[in-house]
Amino acid sequence: DTEVTQTPKHLVMGMTNKKSLKCEQHMGHRAMYWYKQKAKKPPELMFVYSYEKLSINESVPSRFSPECPNSSLLNLHLHALQPEDSALYLCASSPSPPSGFYNEQFFGPGTRLTVL
Amino acid sequence: GQNIDQPTEMTATEGAIVQINCTYQTSGFNGLFWYQQHAGEAPTFLSYNVLDGLEEKGRFSSFLSRSKGYSYLLLKELQMKDSASYLCAVRDPGSGSSNTGKLIFGQGTTLQVKP
Repeated sequence: DTEVTQTPKHLVMGMTNKKSLKCEQHMGHRAMYWYKQKAKKPPELMFVYSYEKLSINESVPSRFSPECPNSSLLNLHLHALQPEDSALYLCASSPSPPSGFYNEQFFGPGTRLTVL
Repeated sequence: GQNIDQPTEMTATEGAIVQINCTYQTSGFNGLFWYQQHAGEAPTFLSYNVLDGLEEKGRFSSFLSRSKGYSYLLLKELQMKDSASYLCAVRDPGSGSSNTGKLIFGQGTTLQVKP
């Protein structure tokens, strides 16, 4: 298994809803990432987990809450989002911690989120 | 500060060669990545350079000069399917005990390949 999977592919939610995005990889990677990407913009890093511990939080609002239940899974819990949070949310993983010498990040297909 | 510059758009003809440049000024450097991203899809890894010189992988090559803060991605024998956005990303190792190694992306270059 050489891929990162994400569910759901599309999500529409209201500003009062609570939802979760899921990411899974079975490549034995020890670092996992959440990115947010707006149209025609590069991915923006949100969170990094290294060995199942949160190592980077890029000053993301608390309405986004990451969780890493085990080394293969990464969740992003969403609550009270705003319409401007509508974007493509990408999950990625890499073999070693982010500072490792060779550390290609493998991206999942993303979840297209629309907040009404 | 962190700054990565790429041209916004480029156009080339099928079968031709195109070079996409990337210049960077970052507080740290621990490798440079090139990713390809088709519209509505996830980025896919193309190449990685950490030492000066040229890395070749099939139709794609990537070059790095650390002293000049410069890289380019060379695409040969262009095909219509190469129409996509190409993202240059620098890995910043972080500082002190953080050593985060996070990727800093440029804005991306949208390449259009015409028949």
